[in-house]
Amino acid sequence: GESVGLHLPTLSVQEGDNSIINCAYSNSASDYFIWYKQESGKGPQFIIDIRSNMDKRQGQRVTVLLNKTVKHLSLQIAATQPGDSAVYFCAENSGAGSYQLTFGKGTKLSVIP
Amino acid sequence: DAGITQSPRHKVTETGTPVTLRCHQTENHRYMYWYRQDPGHGLRLIHYSYGVKDTDKGEVSDGYSVSRSKTEDFLLTLESATSSQTSVYFCAISEGAVGEQFFGPGTRLTVL
Repeated sequence: GESVGLHLPTLSVQEGDNSIINCAYSNSASDYFIWYKQESGKGPQFIIDIRSNMDKRQGQRVTVLLNKTVKHLSLQIAATQPGDSAVYFCAENSGAGSYQLTFGKGTKLSVIP
Repeated sequence: DAGITQSPRHKVTETGTPVTLRCHQTENHRYMYWYRQDPGHGLRLIHYSYGVKDTDKGEVSDGYSVSRSKTEDFLLTLESATSSQTSVYFCAISEGAVGEQFFGPGTRLTVL
């Protein structure tokens, strides 16, 4: 499949444990954030999003936390499964009606059966 | 892949040749985007469209042009391909200007 990055930060997690993937963003004016999952050979897949007026948002087995004070975003995956193995990206929208998303370089999650 | 197809899925071409990549959507979304993905850089926006015949440049637009004559199709053209344009190209769509973007399966382009 397509290579999504060399020397990506890697997180190895035991199946069934919780995973936490972190992302630092750069623009204090960003008002919208997304997490994507990318499996080898596939396009990025939307996981969850959050707007800057929220600190936390939950989905199915996933939670996103936003700390605007330190410009930090995290994705928590509960009861990690082998199918969660992928590269995870955060993306930010710089606000002011911008169309553009700025993507992080990603973290590779490996789930150990 | 949210009703998005890209063609071709793989292409090998030579330096100096023109190349056109096609993105087709069946979601009737207004916004369409072209990204490239390279090791160490993540996804970078090339061009985007906010309606038929309405397009604008992204972060890495040099050497690329786009056209959108119908809602469902967004074409990316490399007028004269260079080796630095070897990459994986992704098309994305969104319903609104701010919101989740849905990605196609990608096109791997190799320029020799």
